[in-house]
Parts: sequence; structure tokens; C-alpha cells
Amino acid sequence: GENVEQHPSTLSVQEGDSAVIKCTYSDSASNYFPWYKQELGKRPQLIIDIRSNVGEKKDQRIAVTLNKTAKHFSLHITETQPEDSAVYFCAAMGGNAGKSTFGDGTTLTVKP
Amino acid sequence: DVKVTQSSRYLVKRTGEKVFLECVQDMDHENMFWYRQDPGLGLRLIYFSYDVKMKEKGDIPEGYSVSREKKERFSLILESASTNQTSMYLCASREGYNSPLHFGNGTRLTVT
Repeated sequence: GENVEQHPSTLSVQEGDSAVIKCTYSDSASNYFPWYKQELGKRPQLIIDIRSNVGEKKDQRIAVTLNKTAKHFSLHITETQPEDSAVYFCAAMGGNAGKSTFGDGTTLTVKP
Repeated sequence: DVKVTQSSRYLVKRTGEKVFLECVQDMDHENMFWYRQDPGLGLRLIYFSYDVKMKEKGDIPEGYSVSREKKERFSLILESASTNQTSMYLCASREGYNSPLHFGNGTRLTVT
């Protein structure tokens, strides 16, 4: 089945700096890669996603890149703010019956 | 906006009890999922359903079963609760293949 590895597990940055979270996946049939943000005590919510026919996607301060050949994708957050502090999960979907396989999560702390 | 509602936010049960976790979505989504979330382990798929009365095992189905008698409702059943099933349980639904998951607020289950 699909295996998704996510790094780093924790990330601490100063406000205004950039943050990068990286994920690798194993199933070449996966073709949809969403990123979710989970604030403390709340549900995971989609922040950005990318499909395998696209190499990069941006939404204001957030961007995601996908390298299908290397089977890795990354989340980039620029000009970080304290409200960006949360746990971020990557996921890969589409290979095995459309299941979503999640990474273990990255706890991002933005220090004011 | 999609609404996924889990019937209980917190639940405390005793070892050996039969436990029902209920989930309802209001967007006529065909696909529904149950995940378990534990610190450092990300979100692990227990069971999912592509349609009424259909169910598929996820990555950690042991000790669980599910029921989907109506399209909007997906129930997770712990036949005989054990302490190692103490966890946060998240229900999710999605519109179709390769579309984002919409999560409920979660049920924190404690088995004593």
C-alpha cells in the first residue's frame, strides 16, 4: 500500500520567516496531494491541494510543489504569522481504491 | 459549506462495553471515512464506505466494525472496547474520487 513520510516532525520559525514541510510517497499511482492544517482542539481543514498534472500551485502565502519523478511534494509558507502555528498534514490519494494516506504531521510554531 | 457532525465530543466507556460513534454529513457525499488520530502517528484509516451498505477495511480495522444504512450516516462500532482504543476518532466525507476530505470535530474516546 501507499506510504507517506513527512519531515520535519517539528518546526520552529520566527515570525516573517518562511517554513517548508516535505513529504514523500511510495505509490506512483497516487495523483492527488492535499495539505491539511489542524489547530489545537480543532478539526483538520484543507489549506491547499495539487493534482499530478500540475507542478506548482500558489494561494497567497501558501504554495505547494510536486515532483512526480522523485515522488515528493512540499508545502511552502512565506511571511509566517503566529496564527500559522498548527499541525500540518500531507496526504497522498488515488492509488489504492482512492484511500487517503497521511503523513505523521508537522507541528509548526511561529514565534512572534 | 459541508457539515460533518459527530454525535459526541467526549466519551468515557468501560473495558468490554460496546461503543457506537455516529457521524452524519449533510452534503449528499457518497464517500465516508473513519480515522483514528494518535500523537505522532498521524491519521490512520480504520474503515471507509463508497456507498450505502458498502464498506472497506482501512489500515487498522481490527477491533472495529462499521454500518452505513443511509447515505448521510456512517457509524463506527467498537464491539468490545479496550484501553488501547482510547484515542481521538475523526469522521470525514468527500464528494468523490480525488477530492478533499471534510472532517467532523472528532470524538475523544477514553476507555477505562
